[in-house]
Amino acid sequence: GAVVSQHPSRVICKSGTSVKIECRSLDFQATTMFWYRQFPKQSLMLMATSNEGSKATYEQGVEKDKFLINHASLTLSTLTVTSAHPEDSSFYICSVTTGGFGYTFGSGTRLTVV
Amino acid sequence: AQTVTQSQPEMSVQEAETVTLSCTYDTSESDYYLFWYKQPPSRQMILVIRQEAYKQQNATENRFSVNFQKAAKSFSLKISDSQLGDAAMYFCALTDSWGKLQFGAGTQVVVTP
Repeated sequence: GAVVSQHPSRVICKSGTSVKIECRSLDFQATTMFWYRQFPKQSLMLMATSNEGSKATYEQGVEKDKFLINHASLTLSTLTVTSAHPEDSSFYICSVTTGGFGYTFGSGTRLTVV
Repeated sequence: AQTVTQSQPEMSVQEAETVTLSCTYDTSESDYYLFWYKQPPSRQMILVIRQEAYKQQNATENRFSVNFQKAAKSFSLKISDSQLGDAAMYFCALTDSWGKLQFGAGTQVVVTP
């Protein structure tokens, strides 16, 4: 499978500021990446599908203007949480699909908004 | 809409014993994949086992095996000879035709010495 690097692993930001999370596919050209959010003791919820060179596809109920996704290259997708608020505090995970329904996950980013 | 149901919030097993985690699902797809992922306290998602729906043979990976009942839409995971390192949250997941993964609520596995 692919090697996926996600940064930062932890970030604390002030309410109202923006935070960018990076997901890099180190050894695989990823045309598609996925972004998930996981609240404590809950499951992973798909937020959006990131497509290289085109707009992301957001799941129902996910604010696309709040969670900006950019997938400008085959190795990098970024998730920017804009005007973050405490309720955005969560664990964010990216995954790379390697074709044939294979998936590799990043190590996740714990976002705390204070 | 697809659904994945894990009805066991927590399962406890003694070392060296066997535990079975249940998962049921619903999908209108004719071809799909089912997965079991493990999430230890580090929260890194680790693939345990994968099953292609068109394959009747149950997948196995060392101490991990599944019982895939397609007609019943059931996909249980059996962990044999449980080890302390098996303690984690286990998620059942199902793909759709777009490659999106739908996860169940998860089952916490506790392994006691």
